[in-house]
Amino acid sequence: QSVLTQPPSVSATPGQKVTISCSGSISNIGHNDVSWYQQFPGTAPKLLIYDNDKRPSGIPDRFSGSKSGTSATLGINGLQTGDEADYYCGTWEDNLSAGVFGGGTKLTVL
Amino acid sequence: EVQVVESGGGLVQPGGSLRLSCGGSGFTLSRYWMTWVRQAPGQGLEWVANINQDGSERHYGGSVKGRFTISRDNAKNSVYLQMNSLRAEDTAVYYCARAIYNTDCNWGQGTLVTVSS
Repeated sequence: QSVLTQPPSVSATPGQKVTISCSGSISNIGHNDVSWYQQFPGTAPKLLIYDNDKRPSGIPDRFSGSKSGTSATLGINGLQTGDEADYYCGTWEDNLSAGVFGGGTKLTVL
Repeated sequence: EVQVVESGGGLVQPGGSLRLSCGGSGFTLSRYWMTWVRQAPGQGLEWVANINQDGSERHYGGSVKGRFTISRDNAKNSVYLQMNSLRAEDTAVYYCARAIYNTDCNWGQGTLVTVSS
């Protein structure tokens, strides 16, 4: 069981907006910044969002992040078929003094 | 171009040991926290260990604590993961990553470790 809880899968049609939730607790999301990663099959993860809502250079503004209390959300606007991938949230867990990831969410663009 | 490259993966018997290496090019590795993350076949990401810039601070995930050791040699621009008492459940692709929580984040391509008799 992952410390951070994500829905196993979400789906939407091209052009729509989708959100992926990441639920934690005070000792992780509640006290630390959240990052989001995108991973295509057979490839390494890639940072999409850091510090809850910041995008690294090169990441389109279709991708957004937010955090409230002990939950975080990744939003993807104007869905494209190329966005089909697995998405993971990650942060620091104070009680474990270790990093933690969510279980991952598979995005399907129908 | 910034690159992170892992090496050292392979097949090892249960109870055996293996040392993974992670090299950095195009950047000064000594300036960054470095992290190992693994992914078992068909599974999600699991945080394994990290180490600060001068090696004075190290943290480990619960499933590897006491068996794995992370270290670094900044003179060689390298980070290592010494894995002892390996178990079947340690079978995974192991990724090395620079600064996974900020804009300088960069992941290697991963190296596969298979623990099997």
